[in-house]
Amino acid sequence: DQQVKQNSPSLSVQEGRISILNCDYTNSMFDYFLWYKKYPAEGPTFLISISSIKDKNEDGRFTVFLNKSAKHLSLHIVPSQPGDSAVYFCAALAPPGRAQKLVFGQGTRLTINP
Amino acid sequence: GAGVSQSPSNKVTEKGKDVELRCDPISGHTALYWYRQSLGQGLEFLIYFQGNSAPDKSGLPSDRFSAERTGGSVSTLTIQRTQQEDSAVYLCASSSNPGYGYTFGSGTRLTVV
Repeated sequence: DQQVKQNSPSLSVQEGRISILNCDYTNSMFDYFLWYKKYPAEGPTFLISISSIKDKNEDGRFTVFLNKSAKHLSLHIVPSQPGDSAVYFCAALAPPGRAQKLVFGQGTRLTINP
Repeated sequence: GAGVSQSPSNKVTEKGKDVELRCDPISGHTALYWYRQSLGQGLEFLIYFQGNSAPDKSGLPSDRFSAERTGGSVSTLTIQRTQQEDSAVYLCASSSNPGYGYTFGSGTRLTVV
């Protein structure tokens, strides 16, 4: 039962353009969402997060959008840079008192072409 | 330590052997998590420690898998009688606030031949 889904295993974008990575979830109890970035042979690193009380959070070139009614979130990277090439994981957390663990999606491999 | 340290970084083992994977979390982090990433798959939750106890071990795939944590610090994940399907990257993460602010180690790549 995949509660967090990233349906695009890969995405290729030209340098300078916008990258949009998508994530869907099924559990309405999730109230906090995060994006992690992973380079080969390294552990995932935290990128940006959003609480369910918001619909947008921005940090520099990175913006996360949350659509609770659609149970959908997306990560926008603009402008995309070659160093953004990595695997991006979407993750979700249930409220305190429930399972205190992040549930991850399958990941999307982003390639930025010069 | 400055980060989460995992050892070994790579392990090749023969089918049927036992393996132990080690995780040194960030000092003071009370929450510790084990995940694994199989080829082409996402991050699969295995077990969560709060201090030395494991309130959630629901992700352990079979009774061949076990984990312990001692002194609220180091954790070992043991896989007995390894099978080829156990081949994956095993990732450990720690945090000071359960669920938030995970810091991951670089992982142990396990290959069962």
